[in-house]
Amino acid sequence: AQTVTQSQPEMSVQEAETVTLSCTYDTSESDYYLFWYKQPPSRQMILVIRQEAYKQQNATENRFSVNFQKAAKSFSLKISDSQLGDAAMYFCAYKRGTGNQFYFGTGTSLTVIP
Amino acid sequence: DVKVTQSSRYLVKRTGEKVFLECVQDMDHENMFWYRQDPGLGLRLIYFSYDVKMKEKGDIPEGYSVSREKKERFSLILESASTNQTSMYLCASSLQTGIQETQYFGPGTRLLVL
Repeated sequence: AQTVTQSQPEMSVQEAETVTLSCTYDTSESDYYLFWYKQPPSRQMILVIRQEAYKQQNATENRFSVNFQKAAKSFSLKISDSQLGDAAMYFCAYKRGTGNQFYFGTGTSLTVIP
Repeated sequence: DVKVTQSSRYLVKRTGEKVFLECVQDMDHENMFWYRQDPGLGLRLIYFSYDVKMKEKGDIPEGYSVSREKKERFSLILESASTNQTSMYLCASSLQTGIQETQYFGPGTRLLVL
């Protein structure tokens, strides 16, 4: 089975500052997708950002960007100008290009300090 | 927008009871998934289905079964609930192929087995 590792169970950031959440994964595939999901307290899990492995350019969605290091099998999420609404559990996920199954990390709980 | 709904947000059952968790999606997705989410363990896949009446075991299928009689509906069944099945259960759906490779999640069902 594929493994996805999030080594930071908890992180905190001051409002308006920048924070980076780490994720590493293990695969021998060349075609795959990587995702960051956000789960706010008592709310639905939603997609934050996705990255196709074949794309060299790092994905960006407004204040959220990734640092995709394919050789190092690293996929970190950077949140700029952190807002109170960013407080949530963040999950990194991997999916093989030809497969249906997603593999999730154990999550990082992000606290935003006013 | 994709909508994934789950029949209950909170459920309390007694040990030995048969429990049904229902999930419905409205976007004609081929794939549907059941996960359980536990603190420190992230999301673990119980079962997934890639078509009507088709299913595959995930990482932790023991003690669970599933049913998919219609494309939009995917049920998780606990044949005889046990206390170690107390957890948050998340349903998700996705397209089998195509550009939108992400999963869409339901709000979750928090199950307590006494």
